[in-house]
Amino acid sequence: DTGVSQDPRHKITKRGQNVTFRCDPISEHNRLYWYRQTLGQGPEFLTYFQNEAQLEKSRLLSDRFSAERPKGSFSTLEIQRTEQGDSAMYLCASSSKTVTGELFFGEGSRLTVL
Amino acid sequence: DAKTTQPPSMDCAEGRAANLPCNHSTISGNEYVYWYRQIHSQGPQYIIHGLKNNETNEMASLIITEDRKSSTLILPHATLRDTAVYYCIVRGSAFNDYKLSFGAGTTVTVRA
Repeated sequence: DTGVSQDPRHKITKRGQNVTFRCDPISEHNRLYWYRQTLGQGPEFLTYFQNEAQLEKSRLLSDRFSAERPKGSFSTLEIQRTEQGDSAMYLCASSSKTVTGELFFGEGSRLTVL
Repeated sequence: DAKTTQPPSMDCAEGRAANLPCNHSTISGNEYVYWYRQIHSQGPQYIIHGLKNNETNEMASLIITEDRKSSTLILPHATLRDTAVYYCIVRGSAFNDYKLSFGAGTTVTVRA
């Protein structure tokens, strides 16, 4: 399978703990995105990478959130000192730099903070 | 700053065509219309996109009105597996407008 893969698919943690999610994009895609989705809502944009450069961060991405994409390949999203409000599905997507640049999403990582 | 308006929900019968409307009255000349869907507990899936001409692929057809202020996604023969939330999104050229902004979408339920 050559789609976007995310790991872990599910994570349950206690409030205050740190969690990290990993995303492996489609290999030839140089753009990578993180979105967050809460129950009943559409996905909300968090951040965007072009190659290894993080070019945009949403105001939703508080100081407790950090994303990296070393060497322009896989990406990690870390949440420090988790809060119950961080419970959500975290979606990763990738795209190529073409005029239409369709985004291809992974299956998501569901976080539950107890 | 939603650029599209969709009905919150709709039902359709299995085997029949499902016609999903979307209004985008403020669309600019260089903006595309994209459709994605999200089946429960999965990531969004790209369906189709168009600029001004009608488009068809193996999943669906996209009909864009001549004034480009609205469009319709057509699932020609809906199956139970088409039950999902469908998102209509307007976006410019990906060279400059790289991200997708999702609204609430239309929850489509296909009934046997």
